[in-house]
Amino acid sequence: DQQVKQNSPSLSVQEGRISILNCDYTNSMFDYFLWYKKYPAEGPTFLISISSIKDKNEDGRFTVFLNKSAKHLSLHIVPSQPGDSAVYFCAASAGPGGGADGLTFGKGTHLIIQP
Amino acid sequence: DAGVIQSPRHEVTEMGQEVTLRCKPISGHNSLFWYRQTMMRGLELLIYFNNNVPIDDSGMPEDRFSAKMPNASFSTLKIQPSEPRDSAVYFCASSLTGGITEAFFGQGTRLTVV
Repeated sequence: DQQVKQNSPSLSVQEGRISILNCDYTNSMFDYFLWYKKYPAEGPTFLISISSIKDKNEDGRFTVFLNKSAKHLSLHIVPSQPGDSAVYFCAASAGPGGGADGLTFGKGTHLIIQP
Repeated sequence: DAGVIQSPRHEVTEMGQEVTLRCKPISGHNSLFWYRQTMMRGLELLIYFNNNVPIDDSGMPEDRFSAKMPNASFSTLKIQPSEPRDSAVYFCASSLTGGITEAFFGQGTRLTVV
């Protein structure tokens, strides 16, 4: 059973518009959430994170929203740029060390930004 | 820092052979993780070490898989004997414990067992 779910395998968005990637989780013990971005033939790279004590974290064009009651988080990218085309992984951790205790990943969403 | 370094980048081996994947974490990081990525299961945590000590190996699929971390700058993941279903991309990642922090990933080793 998947504890972190990304139900959209792919998403196509026009350049300049907003991209919204969604993630759901089932484990109530998760208290730290991260988004990773992955280009082909490269390892995942950290993008943005949020602690369960917050409901929003913003970094430039990227904002992550957390709805604990719904066990749902989303990543907003605005405006979307061609370089944002990649696979985005949602990840969660339940350990006291946050991401340092090993992460549970979703299967990823392939974001395609169209010119 | 060069980041997390994995070798080899690609490995093709015959079923039944032993395979050893290598990882050099970022200097100063004291947590190291091995992940496996497949189409079916996505990214799965296999095992992680804190200060060179294995903490959780519940993700290791079978006894054919073993991992070691003899010192703070080196880790291996060994599969013996290898099987076609082990074909996947294996990632190593490292991070710094003691606070909320993200893990940094290597570029991965693409393993193909024929």
